[in-house]
Amino acid sequence: DTEVTQTPKHLVMGMTNKKSLKCEQHMGHRAMYWYKQKAKKPPELMFVYSYEKLSINESVPSRFSPECPNSSLLNLHLHALQPEDSALYLCASSQLHGQGNTIYFGEGSWLTVV
Amino acid sequence: GESVGLHLPTLSVQEGDNSIINCAYSNSASDYFIWYKQESGKGPQFIIDIRSNMDKRQGQRVTVLLNKTVKHLSLQIAATQPGDSAVYFCAENVREYGNKLVFGAGTILRVKS
Repeated sequence: DTEVTQTPKHLVMGMTNKKSLKCEQHMGHRAMYWYKQKAKKPPELMFVYSYEKLSINESVPSRFSPECPNSSLLNLHLHALQPEDSALYLCASSQLHGQGNTIYFGEGSWLTVV
Repeated sequence: GESVGLHLPTLSVQEGDNSIINCAYSNSASDYFIWYKQESGKGPQFIIDIRSNMDKRQGQRVTVLLNKTVKHLSLQIAATQPGDSAVYFCAENVREYGNKLVFGAGTILRVKS
């Protein structure tokens, strides 16, 4: 079982809604990640947080806004999404960010934008 | 460019046989590699990893082989079981992209009983 917990598991939202995805880990990891995965495709990196600071933003549209309130929590705020944003959103964490640090994934949040 | 792996192939094996899943990576600067298993409706699950200064690493029923000369990675699963059915992704840590983990396209493993 993964030790990265994501909520909600499923979310349906309209294009004018504001919602948030939440992620929590209690492994003492100092790096946390958001990935996006479309059906039958590999996960694609969106954001990396290292020591609660944003270190990588993969040119993600501003309608996705990450937040790292503390070392255990990672949020992804969603606003004015498009139907093509429907996907599985995966949170992950690792001891540190960089070579040799295994990244552990949560079970994901399935997002449907209508 | 950022390219790991091939098209999404399917590997069908008989229960009890050994499975070999292959992955080609494109970035010679990659220094760390991970294999993940993803079952339907779940997140990727870590299987085994290997650093670039190694060419083989063994785990429980799994072995990863790294050939840096031809930039090839393989995952061997011994005595494949029905529970091994999943999509398998290789991933490489690309230092020149700020230590970004780039995933291959994935391979579907189907185990026939």
